[in-house]
Amino acid sequence: DTEVTQTPKHLVMGMTNKKSLKCEQHMGHRAMYWYKQKAKKPPELMFVYSYEKLSINESVPSRFSPECPNSSLLNLHLHALQPEDSALYLCASSQDRVRTQYFGPGTRLLVL
Amino acid sequence: AQSVSQHNHHVILSEAASLELGCNYSYGGTVNLFWYVQYPGQHLQLLLKYFSGDPLVKGIKGFEAEFIKSKFSFNLRKPSVQWSDTAEYFCAVNAPTNAGKSTFGDGTTLTVKP
Repeated sequence: DTEVTQTPKHLVMGMTNKKSLKCEQHMGHRAMYWYKQKAKKPPELMFVYSYEKLSINESVPSRFSPECPNSSLLNLHLHALQPEDSALYLCASSQDRVRTQYFGPGTRLLVL
Repeated sequence: AQSVSQHNHHVILSEAASLELGCNYSYGGTVNLFWYVQYPGQHLQLLLKYFSGDPLVKGIKGFEAEFIKSKFSFNLRKPSVQWSDTAEYFCAVNAPTNAGKSTFGDGTTLTVKP
């Protein structure tokens, strides 16, 4: 199984809502990532978890809160988002932080 | 800080034409280099990678790339493109001594005309 799955595929939320994005992999990878990608732009790294510990936070606003409940799961909790946070949110995993990353299909988020 | 520069923002080719996409990186230490592709409506996937060894690496679908350390470059090539190669191509660098942080270039949109 070389797949990273993400749910939901699409999400529309208001600025006062609380929602969560989920990511799952069963490749035994120990590093997991959240990226934000705007249209026609490259993925921008948000967070990196290594062995279930947060190792990189790229100065992401606190309205984004990551969580790694176990080595297969990665969540991104969203609260009080702004319209400019609308984007494709990608999850990725890799064997360790320097190896090839495997990307999920993303969650397309629209904040109204 | 590491950075990646892709010189070609949009490339348009006819089928069977040869392709070369430029990628230069900036980082003083050892790097791992990647080319990822994003086909329309699909997720990012790896085309090829360089960690060490032979600087000429071959990937999927007939793509290859050459790492030239002196030029800080990792250009992507394909001798004969197909319509199905139409996609967005991203070069990425990962520095093991920089907490494994990956940085992507701005991407190149390749359009292949049938």
